[in-house]
Amino acid sequence: DTGVSQDPRHKITKRGQNVTFRCDPISEHNRLYWYRQTLGQGPEFLTYFQNEAQLEKSRLLSDRFSAERPKGSFSTLEIQRTEQGDSAMYLCASSSPARTDEQFFGPGTRLTVL
Amino acid sequence: AQSVTQLDSQVPVFEEAPVELRCNYSSSVSVYLFWYVQYPNQGLQLLLKYLSGSTLVKGINGFEAEFNKSQTSFHLRKPSVHISDTAEYFCAVITPGFQKLVFGTGTRLLVSP
Repeated sequence: DTGVSQDPRHKITKRGQNVTFRCDPISEHNRLYWYRQTLGQGPEFLTYFQNEAQLEKSRLLSDRFSAERPKGSFSTLEIQRTEQGDSAMYLCASSSPARTDEQFFGPGTRLTVL
Repeated sequence: AQSVTQLDSQVPVFEEAPVELRCNYSSSVSVYLFWYVQYPNQGLQLLLKYLSGSTLVKGINGFEAEFNKSQTSFHLRKPSVHISDTAEYFCAVITPGFQKLVFGTGTRLLVSP
């Protein structure tokens, strides 16, 4: 396994700009998760996909956030009209059909909104 | 709804000393319990997990944890720490059959020579 990968690792943007992050899960993992981690806090669940279907979304995922997993493989998380409060580490995780109790995390994308 | 409390935000310890990182949880249903470690600028790595069975769980890097249902605790221990154990440690729970991990706020373990 090459592990979960995320791109970019760091993103600096100005307030009001749109940003998009990509997550590539471990191959054959059908479940993919997005979490957000702000400074000094633990990760908070945002959303998850089973294959291409988005099955759960947190209230944290405002209208400015959208996540997709069009072919059931990689996923993108887009934030429109970024705000300073969006500055955080965005973590992606995936799990296999046989072991849904274990989520494997990627290195994260650190977003800084100026 | 579940919640996880990690009372110690930071735990300083000398190298080769034992350490215990505390975790308490709240849930009205049975949960699975996890400890993750996060090194600077990296994602989370699973240290160990409790699903069922023996309440003493052994993980990677010499860590172990004990599930105590009556005290709703899942404390993490290591008998002798190394400098390389310096990191942030997160306790988490999940309801079986659901997908959302609920994390505590983390404990920073600082190991000094």
